[in-house]
Amino acid sequence: DTGVSQDPRHKITKRGQNVTFRCDPISEHNRLYWYRQTLGQGPEFLTYFQNEAQLEKSRLLSDRFSAERPKGSFSTLEIQRTEQGDSAMYLCASSLARVVDEQFFGPGTRLTVL
Amino acid sequence: GQNIDQPTEMTATEGAIVQINCTYQTSGFNGLFWYQQHAGEAPTFLSYNVLDGLEEKGRFSSFLSRSKGYSYLLLKELQMKDSASYLCALFSHAGKSTFGDGTTLTVKP
Repeated sequence: DTGVSQDPRHKITKRGQNVTFRCDPISEHNRLYWYRQTLGQGPEFLTYFQNEAQLEKSRLLSDRFSAERPKGSFSTLEIQRTEQGDSAMYLCASSLARVVDEQFFGPGTRLTVL
Repeated sequence: GQNIDQPTEMTATEGAIVQINCTYQTSGFNGLFWYQQHAGEAPTFLSYNVLDGLEEKGRFSSFLSRSKGYSYLLLKELQMKDSASYLCALFSHAGKSTFGDGTTLTVKP
């Protein structure tokens, strides 16, 4: 399977705990995106990387969220001190950074904060 | 901002043609994308427009008018499997993508 993969697929945690998600993009894709999606809404942009550089971060993202892509391949998204409002589907996408930036999405990680 | 507006829900009959509209307000973008998302699954790419006009891809076509801030996705020969949410998204030159909330299409026999 050469598509985008995400791990875990589901995560249930208690409020106040930290969680970390992983995304493995399509190999040779140099752009990697993180989105959050709640029921009935479209994906909400969180951040994106070009290779290992984090080039854009949503102003909606609080300091509790951090993302890394240390070697320009896989990426991690960490949420510290989770809140119930963080419950959502977290989607990762990758692309080749062409003029037309077709993004390929992973299956997502569904987070439930109790 | 890049406010994107789409109808929340649409219903159509199997075999028919349906047009899903998308309007937006933005100061600039590189391209407009359409994605399909089945319930519980990730979005999958359908079509894109960079220049004004119609782009055809099999049963799916997408149209863009930058001057009018308007796009539509046209689905022909509807099949039951086309029941899904259809997302309009703007891609900016800075790499940021903004998605609409999607139109849930229900195809009935």
